[in-house]
Amino acid sequence: EAGVAQSPRYKIIEKRQSVAFWCNPISGHATLYWYQQILGQGPKLLIQFQNNGVVDDSQLPKDRFSAERLKGVDSTLKIQPAKLEDSAVYLCASSRATSAGGRDEQFFGPGTRLTVL
Amino acid sequence: GNSVTQMEGPVTLSEEAFLTINCTYTATGYPSLFWYVQYPGEGLQLLLKATKADDKGSNKGFEATYRKETTSFHLEKGSVQVSDSAVYFCALRSGNTGKLIFGQGTTLQVKP
Repeated sequence: EAGVAQSPRYKIIEKRQSVAFWCNPISGHATLYWYQQILGQGPKLLIQFQNNGVVDDSQLPKDRFSAERLKGVDSTLKIQPAKLEDSAVYLCASSRATSAGGRDEQFFGPGTRLTVL
Repeated sequence: GNSVTQMEGPVTLSEEAFLTINCTYTATGYPSLFWYVQYPGEGLQLLLKATKADDKGSNKGFEATYRKETTSFHLEKGSVQVSDSAVYFCALRSGNTGKLIFGQGTTLQVKP
């Protein structure tokens, strides 16, 4: 079974530029998560999708971050415009859970390392 | 709110030494508790979990017991190997979503 795929693996941009990350979850996984991992900290949930609906985006900075999962499969996370403090690893995870309170294991992708100069 | 606190790293041990990484949590209700591991250049992997008080999770020689009275979930291994060098994250899941709340991570370096 193929794992969670993410691209690009690395991205360097100037502040105020835009950037987008892509995630392809494990086939058949209904739930998709985006986490932000700042250096020296644990991952923090940005947004959770159940199929193509948003379950939790309470910690997503909506003035600059957006995410979508239009067909309930792939997802993109966008930052526009980027700030220095957005430098982090952006992790995508997926699980089989077919309901918002599902207890299935989350499988993580390798992450995208973003550096904002 | 819910939170997880781990011991500061890095932890440096010699091969075959005993490992303990402390983890304590604050949560409402009855959270599930997890340890994830991140090997260099790889994504997070679930190492073990426990879903109720007094449960012991175990995998690859690692163990952790869910202690509700001390709100702890310390990770232990009797004899570490060089290949165990990684970053270890304690996490909890509470409430009615799958959201994980992570500690800050502890880097383990095992020397031959």
